[in-house]
Amino acid sequence: QKEVEQDPGPLSVPEGAIVSLNCTYSNSAFQYFMWYRQYSRKGPELLMYTYSSGNKEDGRFTAQVDKSSKYISLFIRDSQPSDSATYLCAMITGGGADGLTFGKGTHLIIQP
Amino acid sequence: DTGVSQDPRHKITKRGQNVTFRCDPISEHNRLYWYRQTLGQGPEFLTYFQNEAQLEKSRLLSDRFSAERPKGSFSTLEIQRTEQGDSAMYLCATETGVGYTFGSGTRLTVV
Repeated sequence: QKEVEQDPGPLSVPEGAIVSLNCTYSNSAFQYFMWYRQYSRKGPELLMYTYSSGNKEDGRFTAQVDKSSKYISLFIRDSQPSDSATYLCAMITGGGADGLTFGKGTHLIIQP
Repeated sequence: DTGVSQDPRHKITKRGQNVTFRCDPISEHNRLYWYRQTLGQGPEFLTYFQNEAQLEKSRLLSDRFSAERPKGSFSTLEIQRTEQGDSAMYLCATETGVGYTFGSGTRLTVV
């Protein structure tokens, strides 16, 4: 079992829909959780950064962390075709010595 | 522009050749990381520096790989005797206090 599991998709939704992306993890030492967006042939771009359990909202994006279930989510409201990309969850322990552990990424397609 | 520059953007090399990549991070960020990403996978941690000191190496970093960060500023990643399995995107990142900022990566193709 990999430390971080993420459904690779593709996930295809119509423009304007609410998108839900999820990751599960097994290492209870993870404390910081991130979501990255990656366009083809580009580096990952940080979208959301959260510490421990709870919700965080930024514009159309909401990140949720449930440490008791080892489950994190990213919601995208009013999805746009420009949101089409690969979304990667990432997490790291408090010490950070081993760097970020990423999921495989979910390929999201927003249909106009 | 993420503030983390990587050069070159794309490198094609013949198997057995040596290659070197460069990363110029956001200034004043002490921690610098190298990751490798293959098609359909998330980035995988290779190594990281705290200033000029290389503090951690992944088991993915075979003895053909070496990384340096002289003076704690830019960093280089060298791969000796490249193999086809080394074909991947090599990403550099710095820790900003509110996450990790990545460069656009160097895409290596070994033919």
